[in-house]
Amino acid sequence: GQNIDQPTEMTATEGAIVQINCTYQTSGFNGLFWYQQHAGEAPTFLSYNVLDGLEEKGRFSSFLSRSKGYSYLLLKELQMKDSASYLCAVRRSGGYQKVTFGTGTKLQVIP
Amino acid sequence: GAGVSQSPRYKVAKRGQDVALRCDPISGHVSLFWYQQALGQGPEFLTYFQNEAQLDKSGLPSDRFFAERPEGSVSTLKIQRTQQEDSAVYLCASSLGTYNEQFFGPGTRLTVL
Repeated sequence: GQNIDQPTEMTATEGAIVQINCTYQTSGFNGLFWYQQHAGEAPTFLSYNVLDGLEEKGRFSSFLSRSKGYSYLLLKELQMKDSASYLCAVRRSGGYQKVTFGTGTKLQVIP
Repeated sequence: GAGVSQSPRYKVAKRGQDVALRCDPISGHVSLFWYQQALGQGPEFLTYFQNEAQLDKSGLPSDRFFAERPEGSVSTLKIQRTQQEDSAVYLCASSLGTYNEQFFGPGTRLTVL
C-alpha cells in the first residue's frame, strides 16, 4: 500500500518563500507529482519528479529524495493567488502505475 | 474547449435516488480516472479505464457504484440508491497514458439529502 503525509495547513506572508513537505511510504515508487487546487476548482498539474534532485519551474520548485521518501514544493515570491491546497501524489511502479494522492496542504497567503 | 468537462456541475439527490455523472475527457486521451473528493481531503481513487477497458475498479466503495466508457471516450459514473455518505465532489481526469500527468475536470458536486 501507500502512505502519504503532508501538513494540513500552512500560513505564509505575501512575497515570502514557503516550503511544503511531503513524506511517503510505498511498496513501489515511480514518480511524484504536485498539484495545485483552488477552492471549488479542479487540481492542476505543477510538477513531476522521478529522479532525486531539484526541478525548477519559475517561482515553483520541487525536490525529491527517493532514499528518504521525501519531497518538498518550494514557492518563492508568494502572491495572494497562491492561496490554495497543494496535493502531493505518488505513482507506484508496476501494472498501470496507479497514482495515489495525499490529503493536501491548505496554504493561506496573508498580506 | 480542449479541457476535461463534466456534467452536471452540481447535483442534489434525495436519498435512494439513482444519479449519473458524465465525463468528457480530452480528445485522444487513452487513460481516464474517476476520483471522489470529500471536503478538505485529497482525491480518492475510484476506478480507471484504458480506452474502453475498466482495468481497475478497486476504489469503488460498494456495488451501488458503477462506471462505464463504452466507446473509449465519454465515461459515466452511476450511483444507485444514493446515500448521504455519497455526498462529495466527483472528479474525472484523463491522460495520454499512465506515464503522463492527469488533467482534471471541474468536478460534479453531489449532495444527497
